[in-house]
Amino acid sequence: GAVVSQHPSRVICKSGTSVKIECRSLDFQATTMFWYRQFPKQSLMLMATSNEGSKATYEQGVEKDKFLINHASLTLSTLTVTSAHPEDSSFYICSARGRNSNQPQHFGDGTRLSIL
Amino acid sequence: DAKTTQPNSMESNEEEPVHLPCNHSTISGTDYIHWYRQLPSQGPEYVIHGLTSNVNNRMASLAIAEDRKSSTLILHRATLRDAAVYYCILISGTYKYIFGTGTRLKVLA
Repeated sequence: GAVVSQHPSRVICKSGTSVKIECRSLDFQATTMFWYRQFPKQSLMLMATSNEGSKATYEQGVEKDKFLINHASLTLSTLTVTSAHPEDSSFYICSARGRNSNQPQHFGDGTRLSIL
Repeated sequence: DAKTTQPNSMESNEEEPVHLPCNHSTISGTDYIHWYRQLPSQGPEYVIHGLTSNVNNRMASLAIAEDRKSSTLILHRATLRDAAVYYCILISGTYKYIFGTGTRLKVLA
């Protein structure tokens, strides 16, 4: 089945550091990728939607200058958390979907980000 | 986006069937019903989806009410590996996934 690879799986870094997370679709062309954030014991919260070759659409309350999203190819999207602070510590998950919007999204295994 | 309502938690004995309900009374005619599950420290995993008719796959069955205002995910024989949070999501033309709180399934050995 369709596979989405997310890297790294875990990051621990100092406050003020910028962190880049990669999301790759391994066996299909992902015209749309999504980024979510999940805090402990809570559900996933959609942060932004990105379409290949265009700017990402951010959900209300998500700072686009804080969370930079790039979707430069049909198999790769990146999320950069700029100048990360402890409150940015969370579980970040990406998903990808092909051209048919009614088909399932395929999720990566998430990145656990810990800011000291 | 139409909302879904699920029980916070359910328990099942191993090897027994599990019926996980989902209410979606404001579903529109073009909304698809998708089910995902999430194991601890992992991303969600696709389980099944449907529009109007009941659906079966190797993981589960999806029973959709005739008025489409509710659906039930059926795990035919629960195993310990099925312990997870199960999410019922409606997919509309916006194709955004809005996750609710889901149902935490506990499987007892």
